[in-house]
Amino acid sequence: GESVGLHLPTLSVQEGDNSIINCAYSNSASDYFIWYKQESGKGPQFIIDIRSNMDKRQGQRVTVLLNKTVKHLSLQIAATQPGDSAVYFCAENSQYGNKLVFGAGTILRVKS
Amino acid sequence: GAGVSQTPSNKVTEKGKYVELRCDPISGHTALYWYRQSLGQGPEFLIYFQGTGAADDSGLPNDRFFAVRPEGSVSTLKIQRTERGDSAVYLCASSLVGGGQETQYFGPGTRLLVL
Repeated sequence: GESVGLHLPTLSVQEGDNSIINCAYSNSASDYFIWYKQESGKGPQFIIDIRSNMDKRQGQRVTVLLNKTVKHLSLQIAATQPGDSAVYFCAENSQYGNKLVFGAGTILRVKS
Repeated sequence: GAGVSQTPSNKVTEKGKYVELRCDPISGHTALYWYRQSLGQGPEFLIYFQGTGAADDSGLPNDRFFAVRPEGSVSTLKIQRTERGDSAVYLCASSLVGGGQETQYFGPGTRLLVL
């Protein structure tokens, strides 16, 4: 059945389409940002990170964009696959900090 | 190589009991972190170890929670007099040397249910 987790925003995409997941952060002192993927019953899995001296970074099928002016982070997934279905969290940290602060999360559902 | 491991994967206990949760970080990682994740939410920081010492325990909710890392590797999170509100997934992460711009790698978590 449905879980409390579905209070999270949900993005439904068709297999093969591109996905864009957004995240707003609040701490202007944050200078390191990470996207994690979390599948049901598992721990967060590192996807990609970006430092504040960059505004874009690309990985394999993923791109992270950082807009420091409006404190916004996005994760783009190209050619989304069913295995991409999960909850995605952005997290922030500062150069002098040690604890990640996580956003609320977004559920990504990929329809075949 | 081996990632972060946590035991047990699931723990059911009764209100008022004592529990210990274990974390085995990635070999060679000197920094270790504990987080707690409630259903439908992102992980929340509890404590950070640099080597054997707790460098930041500001996230521990109260004095019922305590963590140790006596030899700078394995860590144990201890919860005394458990309450139903302690039910959550307890996640452990490690990173190479610690610091704000370092990737933290997470284990699978221990799912704690307090009845």
